[in-house]
Amino acid sequence: DAKTTQPPSMDCAEGRAANLPCNHSTISGNEYVYWYRQIHSQGPQYIIHGLKNNETNEMASLIITEDRKSSTLILPHATLRDTAVYYCIVTIKAAGNKLTFGGGTRVLVKP
Amino acid sequence: GAVVSQHPSRVICKSGTSVKIECRSLDFQATTMFWYRQFPKQSLMLMATSNEGSKATYEQGVEKDKFLINHASLTLSTLTVTSAHPEDSSFYICSASHTEVRGEAFFGQGTRLTVV
Repeated sequence: DAKTTQPPSMDCAEGRAANLPCNHSTISGNEYVYWYRQIHSQGPQYIIHGLKNNETNEMASLIITEDRKSSTLILPHATLRDTAVYYCIVTIKAAGNKLTFGGGTRVLVKP
Repeated sequence: GAVVSQHPSRVICKSGTSVKIECRSLDFQATTMFWYRQFPKQSLMLMATSNEGSKATYEQGVEKDKFLINHASLTLSTLTVTSAHPEDSSFYICSASHTEVRGEAFFGQGTRLTVV
């Protein structure tokens, strides 16, 4: 799996959009970008994934650069419940459930 | 979405005893489940891949005789920590995949093990 780099932490204001960056410059053509989050003392929760096109679901949007070397997870209106560690993971879809977790970004949503 | 349930959510045991953690996929069949371990303020680390009807595959550095994995059915995998020591105290998390659901992984709520 390609390695990912994320900032260790970031704060954002409640009600504002939160933009979480991820670098994955060594991504291969058949690897997907997955995002999960882990709220304190819980198991990780799937958020979204994509290959090369931008994706949106009820939780978030995923913007992948044209060269696929980086991506941004967007939480459109952050709430206090979005406080969590967010993990960006690159892997082939067939192994999408065998995940290598990096350090992630610890996001603190402040009122 | 698909549901994965772990039991127990918390357990305290004495050194030298064994502890069994169950991971169940409640509404789908999972031929493969994964077990992770997470120490405080650290990321999840994959311990092993649990395959239904066959032996588990362990990651490098994980003792297979200490962490016994059994995947006897398509909805249940168990992790047994044998002869537990205080350094085995950790947060243990399982995941399972539903092949018909976009390839994402579904995680259990985790089990907090404390060995005293």
